[in-house]
Amino acid sequence: AQSVTQPDIHITVSEGASLELRCNYSYGATPYLFWYVQSPGQGLQLLLKYFSGDTLVQGIKGFEAEFKRSQSSFNLRKPSVHWSDAAEYFCAVGVRGGSQGNLIFGKGTKLSVKP
Amino acid sequence: DAGITQSPRHKVTETGTPVTLRCHQTENHRYMYWYRQDPGHGLRLIHYSYGVKDTDKGEVSDGYSVSRSKTEDFLLTLESATSSQTSVYFCAISQGLAGVGQETQYFGPGTRLLVL
Repeated sequence: AQSVTQPDIHITVSEGASLELRCNYSYGATPYLFWYVQSPGQGLQLLLKYFSGDTLVQGIKGFEAEFKRSQSSFNLRKPSVHWSDAAEYFCAVGVRGGSQGNLIFGKGTKLSVKP
Repeated sequence: DAGITQSPRHKVTETGTPVTLRCHQTENHRYMYWYRQDPGHGLRLIHYSYGVKDTDKGEVSDGYSVSRSKTEDFLLTLESATSSQTSVYFCAISQGLAGVGQETQYFGPGTRLLVL
């Protein structure tokens, strides 16, 4: 069955430090991959997506992600974290068909930023 | 931001009461979705629509029904609310130019539902 795993439930980093959020997926076909961010009490905002082509994808707010087919991973990175990046981050894989047709979401990683 | 509104934004109701949540979009997108978000579960798909009057079940559809009579509106109904349906409900839309699951979804602000 298709699934998305975000191994880290909660991460705390210092402002200005680098960040990497992990995402692993299980899907037999070519994946469509997404990262969304959710601030408290808000909806989800798309950070970036991978459909095909260059495996290093640039997104908004200085985020990037790299698709590694051999590792079934799509990790999110940012070189220097800002206090405003504190939020919850969701990785998702787009699947085709069935009752899970659409986006399969990971359970999220909550990011806290220390001053 | 995509033009998606959800109403109501907050609702408290009692067990056994019918509840209808509304999603309205101004983007003329073909696909619309309803998700629920629960701690430790991420987002899970309840139902989706791929056109007016065309809907299908998602992963957690039991106890929910949907209707779409116009492109811009997608209604989610809890026929008889239960405490297990206490959750945050998100509507999403996508253009519908590619296959389901193959395009970006844009999310509304959410509805917090508490069933007592």
